[in-house]
Amino acid sequence: DTGVSQDPRHKITKRGQNVTFRCDPISEHNRLYWYRQTLGQGPEFLTYFQNEAQLEKSRLLSDRFSAERPKGSFSTLEIQRTEQGDSAMYLCASSLGIATNEKLFFGSGTQLSVL
Amino acid sequence: AQTVTQSQPEMSVQEAETVTLSCTYDTSESDYYLFWYKQPPSRQMILVIRQEAYKQQNATENRFSVNFQKAAKSFSLKISDSQLGDAAMYFCAYRSDQAGTALIFGKGTTLSVSS
Repeated sequence: DTGVSQDPRHKITKRGQNVTFRCDPISEHNRLYWYRQTLGQGPEFLTYFQNEAQLEKSRLLSDRFSAERPKGSFSTLEIQRTEQGDSAMYLCASSLGIATNEKLFFGSGTQLSVL
Repeated sequence: AQTVTQSQPEMSVQEAETVTLSCTYDTSESDYYLFWYKQPPSRQMILVIRQEAYKQQNATENRFSVNFQKAAKSFSLKISDSQLGDAAMYFCAYRSDQAGTALIFGKGTTLSVSS
């Protein structure tokens, strides 16, 4: 495995458009996380999957945001009716799902710019 | 709610010297985990070191070590024999001892290394 991959690396969109990001975790990893990182800040948790089940969602995840992980493999994060405040880097991370102190493996993120 | 504070937005060090990055956190829990992650310009977050709160012994990983003071809720990172490749953003993170709970990150410290 080459690690967690995210696509696209950069996305520029106009306000009001919908965007979708994809994350491919390390193949044997059961847990998958989405984070958002704005300039000068640390990553903020958005949501978490255990296999295909979405088990936790942050209050940051408004109803314009939806995440899926069909079949417990790759995951998508969709933002509908984008706003300028959605401009950020969206990070995906995965882990084995065995221990609570386990290492998270991060992707390189998708940088979203909303014009 | 748990919070993580990194009070040093920027730090600098010369090659081969030692630098310490500070982190404090607030929690009412007794069992938790602490982490230091590195984010180089490539944007991919990499785990540097982790500490279990129930362990009194400070974690070490090669040139990286921590000073964990549970009563003071302090978790500093010491980088010895600094190298140019250590230049990055460093994030301190907290995780509760509950399965699947998210990492809570500080705002980060930008470390620059000069030759």
